[in-house]
Amino acid sequence: AQSVAQPEDQVNVAEGNPLTVKCTYSVSGNPYLFWYVQYPNRGLQFLLKYITGDNLVKGSYGFEAEFNKSQTSFHLKKPSALVSDSALYFCAVRDWDRLAFGKGNQVVVIP
Amino acid sequence: EAGVAQSPRYKIIEKRQSVAFWCNPISGHATLYWYQQILGQGPKLLIQFQNNGVVDDSQLPKDRFSAERLKGVDSTLKIQPAKLEDSAVYLCASSFLPMGERAYNEQFFGPGTRLTVL
Repeated sequence: AQSVAQPEDQVNVAEGNPLTVKCTYSVSGNPYLFWYVQYPNRGLQFLLKYITGDNLVKGSYGFEAEFNKSQTSFHLKKPSALVSDSALYFCAVRDWDRLAFGKGNQVVVIP
Repeated sequence: EAGVAQSPRYKIIEKRQSVAFWCNPISGHATLYWYQQILGQGPKLLIQFQNNGVVDDSQLPKDRFSAERLKGVDSTLKIQPAKLEDSAVYLCASSFLPMGERAYNEQFFGPGTRLTVL
């Protein structure tokens, strides 16, 4: 089965600093990778996806992710974090007819 | 466009009781998903419908969980009887098409129903 791992439970970053949320994947074949964000008491919102093509994928709210095949990683990045980016971030991979999610990373942006 | 609607938003029940959750997907979305999100974990797919047919229910605990989508639009998820370990957020999502071999369709999620079993 395809899977993703998010090694950190929480990421703390100062407002204005770069934000990175890590994700590694384990797949057979070509990976379809996704990032979702979950704000308190709200459902998951789609940020971006990698299907094929450029390794740098741009998404919503200024986020981007870099696909690295040699390191089997798909880290989410934002050049300058905002307090409003504080949320739970999930990496996911397509596993045939479903999405397999990681356990999530809590991001705390400190004013 | 209107998003995925779910109700209720919160539910507290005692173990061995029954509970039902309702989901109304985005209009025109043929595929509907129910996920279980336990605190500290990522969402886990319980069941996937394509129109009114079940595509994947391999991770649904069928001894106590059931789901239906009779007219291919709204869906209900039922737990009977509930156990303490069923405490979780139940998320409904929909997409225009299923996630097939050569296509990806973004899944749109509802706000979820937070279930607490005492």
